[in-house]
Amino acid sequence: QVQLVESGGGVVQPGRSLRLSCAASGFTFSSFGMHWVRQAPGKGLEWVAVISNDGSRKWYADSVKGRFTISRDDSQNTLFLQMSSLGAEDTALYYCVKKFRAGSNPEALDYWGQGTLVTVSS
Amino acid sequence: ENVLTQSPGTLSLSPGDTATLSCRASQSVRGNYFAWYQQKPGQTPRLLIYSASYRAPGIPDRFSGSGSGTDFTLTISRLEPEDFAVYYCQQYGGSPYTFGQGAKLEIK
Repeated sequence: QVQLVESGGGVVQPGRSLRLSCAASGFTFSSFGMHWVRQAPGKGLEWVAVISNDGSRKWYADSVKGRFTISRDDSQNTLFLQMSSLGAEDTALYYCVKKFRAGSNPEALDYWGQGTLVTVSS
Repeated sequence: ENVLTQSPGTLSLSPGDTATLSCRASQSVRGNYFAWYQQKPGQTPRLLIYSASYRAPGIPDRFSGSGSGTDFTLTISRLEPEDFAVYYCQQYGGSPYTFGQGAKLEIK
């Protein structure tokens, strides 16, 4: 079965960096685009970034553009989110999410990891 | 950015009722690439509807989606106790892939 396990969250000071990882299993990772979605405590969902199945195309929310970088290592079935210049507004539970279907067409999001909590605080 | 506005913010109904949740986009959604998700407290979101009107695998036929362009609707018939949750709409026709602010379906 599909499993997505995020790691790398924690408490970080404002202005610092953090790298999140997501270990994927149970599906052909290299065939699927992957997303990061975040949810601040008690708030709604905010889409963060997406990377295509081959890693050639990446898109970001305006709120993170220029600060966050999404990447993938298909040899390790792992998705990454490099976050820099973190601020209090980045405090959230970060979910790794799989595209519903393989291929290059736009797709909804189906499997979600349990998330890793990032807290930006001095 | 395509801003999605859900209404109502909270809907209070009883089991057996029919719930109608709306989502309006500030721009037309390309290709009707539009989804609905359900999130219960302490759980991850679950995909209900994709491409505006197609049920995801394993989703009961009590859930139905409709709409196109800028106006979309999620209808839940014959509400069951487990349906009371927060519902989010999302457009994925173009980046950024925005979500609505969420709508809470609560037991009356």
